[in-house]
Amino acid sequence: AQRVTQPEKLLSVFKGAPVELKCNYSYSGSPELFWYVQYSRQRLQLLLRHISRESIKGFTADLNKGETSFHLKKPFAQEEDSAMYYCALSGNTDKLIFGTGTRLQVFP
Amino acid sequence: DGGITQSPKYLFRKEGQNVTLSCEQNLNHDAMYWYRQDPGQGLRLIYYSQIVNDFQKGDIAEGYSVSREKKESFPLTVTSAQKNPTAFYLCASTTGNYGYTFGSGTRLTVV
Repeated sequence: AQRVTQPEKLLSVFKGAPVELKCNYSYSGSPELFWYVQYSRQRLQLLLRHISRESIKGFTADLNKGETSFHLKKPFAQEEDSAMYYCALSGNTDKLIFGTGTRLQVFP
Repeated sequence: DGGITQSPKYLFRKEGQNVTLSCEQNLNHDAMYWYRQDPGQGLRLIYYSQIVNDFQKGDIAEGYSVSREKKESFPLTVTSAQKNPTAFYLCASTTGNYGYTFGSGTRLTVV
């Protein structure tokens, strides 16, 4: 079965601290992994996808097939990074399976 | 604003009523999706449609119905059979390249 697990409901850090939002997945094939972000009063939007290997707003995520993980990292958190972050998986269809989300709070 | 429009933004439903949430896109996307967002549960897929006149149940389809008569439109009806309809509903669409575009959502409350 396809499943995405985000173990932390809330992650609180101070500005300038490193951030790692954890995501583990369960899928028997080769998945496509994504991170979506929802800022306060804004729409859910795509942050990055593993296939493009890009860095967006300083965030990166590496797909580790051995550990079935796709953790989101940023070396120095900013206050504007405070948001809800969702990890998502797509298998052999366009259907996305989302994790339960992690709320990131960055304190000044 | 966007390319996907959801209406209304807020909706109140009485017990036993059916209500319909609207989702319209002008992105020429083939696939459209309805998700339900509850605190602590993330987004759960209700229904999806990959082509006009065809749709499939998601993980929590019971108590919901959809139609896809036009490419641009994918309305969701919350029926009286849905036991716990109070939630935030999100509509999304995609071209198939896995980048979803989301609407701004409809918050449904049972009164």
